[in-house]
Amino acid sequence: GESVGLHLPTLSVQEGDNSIINCAYSNSASDYFIWYKQESGKGPQFIIDIRSNMDKRQGQRVTVLLNKTVKHLSLQIAATQPGDSAVYFCAERARIQGAQKLVFGQGTRLTINP
Amino acid sequence: NAGVMQNPRHLVRRRGQEARLRCSPMKGHSHVYWYRQLPEEGLKFMVYLQKENIIDESGMPKERFSAEFPKEGPSILRIQQVVRGDSAAYFCASSQQLDRGYGYTFGSGTRLTVV
Repeated sequence: GESVGLHLPTLSVQEGDNSIINCAYSNSASDYFIWYKQESGKGPQFIIDIRSNMDKRQGQRVTVLLNKTVKHLSLQIAATQPGDSAVYFCAERARIQGAQKLVFGQGTRLTINP
Repeated sequence: NAGVMQNPRHLVRRRGQEARLRCSPMKGHSHVYWYRQLPEEGLKFMVYLQKENIIDESGMPKERFSAEFPKEGPSILRIQQVVRGDSAAYFCASSQQLDRGYGYTFGSGTRLTVV
């Protein structure tokens, strides 16, 4: 389940199961969204993106769903593998205090149980 | 085609020293963004630059921090008189012209430790 404070929310799944990671974004005017994967000691790695005029986009083993009504984004990973263990961040492109920029969510740590 | 290159990967500074972090964007990318990440937290926007211009520095502390992206060479994030609270991972991202390119590519980061 989720926790608040300094610790990242954690999602534990069995290897081979599907994973669903959720994200609430803040700005209703955001026009572009990206999911990133970050492994320990590395920079964020692009997974999949979606524009605000779409509600679903599929990649290889990943699907992103966008619900603009409730400002919610989700990342579905099919047949989760050990290599999927990482922290996953959603990011929205928003104009906040100046120019458009990527604004990141808190992140969710995905752990895979063998 | 090399990705976003950041150096050094690790930087140790004593309190009061200066830290210089460098970022070379992807070839063809003219927009550079700097982010800071504390352990177990998300990435926090600091500054957005184009060549020779600071576009948005709303996330950067007013004192001791500065950034530049000269006509030639990498973008530099400079932290003067570092304090322990500056210890973090600093990431740089680059993108193409905003109206056309949507991809933002991140470097591997510089991990700054202030002792």
